[in-house]
Amino acid sequence: DGGITQSPKYLFRKEGQNVTLSCEQNLNHDAMYWYRQDPGQGLRLIYYSQIVNDFQKGDIAEGYSVSREKKESFPLTVTSAQKNPTAFYLCASMPSSYNEQFFGPGTRLTVL
Amino acid sequence: GENVEQHPSTLSVQEGDSAVIKCTYSDSASNYFPWYKQELGKGPQLIIDIRSNVGEKKDQRIAVTLNKTAKHFSLHITETQPEDSAVYFCAARNFGNEKLTFGTGTRLTIIP
Repeated sequence: DGGITQSPKYLFRKEGQNVTLSCEQNLNHDAMYWYRQDPGQGLRLIYYSQIVNDFQKGDIAEGYSVSREKKESFPLTVTSAQKNPTAFYLCASMPSSYNEQFFGPGTRLTVL
Repeated sequence: GENVEQHPSTLSVQEGDSAVIKCTYSDSASNYFPWYKQELGKGPQLIIDIRSNVGEKKDQRIAVTLNKTAKHFSLHITETQPEDSAVYFCAARNFGNEKLTFGTGTRLTIIP
């Protein structure tokens, strides 16, 4: 999992509540990503950020928000507007030289 | 945008035999093709990648082949071992594009 940490590993949320997933990296990578993983659907991109204070929507951004105030941190907020938030969430980072993406260990979010 | 299809979705192989997983992509401008291995409850890890100026790349028991004309690439694992059991994802990216597009994954099971 390299130098990427995600916390917590398991997260439970009641319907209607917002929740924030943490992602921190000490690899000095410029780009960071959030993916959602559902069974049989692979990894789908939620948001990504190439530099501090800038981020772009991915393919399934609705119901999610992010911030990138520090190079090392890229938290993801799952809002109550996300209709089906139960999933495995993966954070990744990549250096500016367009090499491989390194993934964190993931956070499994369950909505009760 | 890019679309990546991956087959098969599940694959069972006798220990010691070879396994082959195939992916096709739609964007002829894609030029970077990584393969990731994901063990249960963990984040994906890069196992091998290939760029479009190369037709084949090998790393011990793992090899990847690329056919640019047909727009498909394959992962080959020889002399399979129980620890090869995992979910494998292919992906594609256009150089200069920060986003990876992933296939839907193949669950590989090695039968002892």
